[in-house]
Formats: sequence, structure tokens, C-alpha cells
Amino acid sequence: QVQLVESGGGVVQPGGSLRLSCAASGFTFSNYGMHWVRQAPGKGLEWMAHMPYHEDKIYYADFVKGRFTVSSDTSSNTLFLQMNSLRADDTAVYYCARDGGHWELSNWGQGTLVVISS
Amino acid sequence: QSALTQPPSASGSPGQSVAISCTGTSSDVGGYNYVSWYQHHPGKAPKLMIYEVNKRPSGVPDRFSGSKSGNTASLTVSGLQAEDEADYYCNSYAGNNNWVFGGGTELTVL
Repeated sequence: QVQLVESGGGVVQPGGSLRLSCAASGFTFSNYGMHWVRQAPGKGLEWMAHMPYHEDKIYYADFVKGRFTVSSDTSSNTLFLQMNSLRADDTAVYYCARDGGHWELSNWGQGTLVVISS
Repeated sequence: QSALTQPPSASGSPGQSVAISCTGTSSDVGGYNYVSWYQHHPGKAPKLMIYEVNKRPSGVPDRFSGSKSGNTASLTVSGLQAEDEADYYCNSYAGNNNWVFGGGTELTVL
């Protein structure tokens, strides 16, 4: 079955960097688009980025552009989120999700917690 | 993109029906039939309940249904059960490979 496992979260000082990973299994990773979504404490889900399976361009929400970068390694079926210049308001649980092919996020991981604090 | 508008809370007794609204604009909800709904129990992975406005993935009970009129989509949960108590989020494709979520609705089963 489809499984997505995020890792790499932790406590980082403001201005620091962090790289999150999302290990995918149970499906052909290269045939599906992927998303990153986050949820700040007490807040709702917030869409961050989409990596289509059929093109090299990655699409970002406006608040992400310039600080965060999405990439992938198809040899290890892993999606990455490189986060730079982190701020306190980036504190959140970060989820990766698989694109279901009908403009929906069909499968989700359990998330990894990122805390930005000095 | 601005978040879609959902009521912060909704409630109903077991067996009753409850509807959760999701209001956007002609650039997202009103412009595409690509509205989806997610159930989220805190600490767990969100779960897809409805996609393309009114389609249910395999395994989702038919007590869950979706609809859309203009810029507002709705999720209806019929025959409420205790396990339906969760946060529910709508989501819409917003064009140019962008998506937008609603603020979420906390559903309480009384």
C-alpha cells in the first residue's frame, strides 16, 4: 500500500536551514506528482508546493518562493524540502502528499515537526 | 492566494446530518470542479474523503457527500457517528499549478 514517511524535523534557530525528506513506497514514485503542505500550531493546513511528475518545473505558493526548494531523488523514491532563512512562523508540522491525478492529494504522511526557536 | 472560508466549528448528534461550507472565488472553487475534502484527526495523517467536488475514494463511507454551487462547496456528513469527530478541510485547485485550503472546520459529535 502507499506509504509516505517524513523525516528531518527538529529544533532550529531563526535564520537556520533544514532539509526534510519524504520516503515513498508502495507505488511508482516517478509516475506521480507530489505536494508539501504544512500546519502551524493551532492553524489550518497550508499548501506549499507541487512537483508534477511530468515536468521539471516545481510550483510554489507565494509565501514559499525564494526560501524553500523542493527536489526529489527517483533512485531512492524520496522527496525533499530544503528550507532556508527559517523564521518563527515556519514552526509547523510538515506533510508530504501524493497527487492523486484528479487535482486532489490522495495520500499523506504523518508529518514531521519543525520548531524554529532560539 | 487567500484561504477558502469555512466555519470554524460544526456539530450534530449521532445519526443526524451536518453540512460544512467552503467559500472561495471564481478563481478557485467557482472556476474548477476540483474541490476536495480531507478529514484530519490531530496527530494523524489527513485522509482524503471527497475529490472532484462529489466523488468518494474507495473505502470512504457513502455517508460523506460533496456538492458545489457557484463559489461555495459543501461537505455533508449523514448519519453522524462518533468517529466522524475530526477537523475537516476543503481544498481547491486555483490554477497555474496552485492549490488552496480552507481554514478548517472542527466537527463535534454531541
